[in-house]
Amino acid sequence: QKEVEQNSGPLSVPEGAIASLNCTYSDRGSQSFFWYRQYSGKSPELIMSIYSNGDKEDGRFTAQLNKASQYVSLLIRDSQPSDSATYLCAVRGSSASKIIFGSGTRLSIRP
Amino acid sequence: GAGVSQSPRYKVAKRGQDVALRCDPISGHVSLFWYQQALGQGPEFLTYFQNEAQLDKSGLPSDRFFAERPEGSVSTLKIQRTQQEDSAVYLCASSPPQLDSGNTIYFGEGSWLTVV
Repeated sequence: QKEVEQNSGPLSVPEGAIASLNCTYSDRGSQSFFWYRQYSGKSPELIMSIYSNGDKEDGRFTAQLNKASQYVSLLIRDSQPSDSATYLCAVRGSSASKIIFGSGTRLSIRP
Repeated sequence: GAGVSQSPRYKVAKRGQDVALRCDPISGHVSLFWYQQALGQGPEFLTYFQNEAQLDKSGLPSDRFFAERPEGSVSTLKIQRTQQEDSAVYLCASSPPQLDSGNTIYFGEGSWLTVV
């Protein structure tokens, strides 16, 4: 079992709709959770971070964390073509040092 | 500079050559990470430094890989006797001092290594 798991996609969503991206993790002691966006040929850039159970909203993005289920998700409202990218879920585990990434979900927003 | 700087951006090496990849972190960031990203995959952890101390090198795939950060600033990832499977993007990232508060890491643009 990989430490951080994501559906590789591609996930295709019509413009203006809500895109939902999911991630599970194996280390129950994990403390910090991140979503990165990566455009083709570019390095990952941070979108959201979340540390406690519940929802955290930032503009069109909402991160959701459920530690009991070891599940974290990212919702993108009013999806735009510029949101088309690979979304990486990342988790800082109980060791409090390294951050482990999932393999990413490729999102495509169709006009 | 304002961000994490990596060089070279692109490197083509013949199989068996040694390569050295440099990372200059954001000023004041004590934590430095190296990741390897193969095509279509997420970044895979290689190693982590806090200042000059290499605290975790569990992700280095073989003894051909080693990293150093002798003065707690610039870091070099060295790959000896490169193999085709070493072809990947090598990402360096840095983080401000209080990683335990949840601060995340900020990536450089990466060094694209192709072994032929």
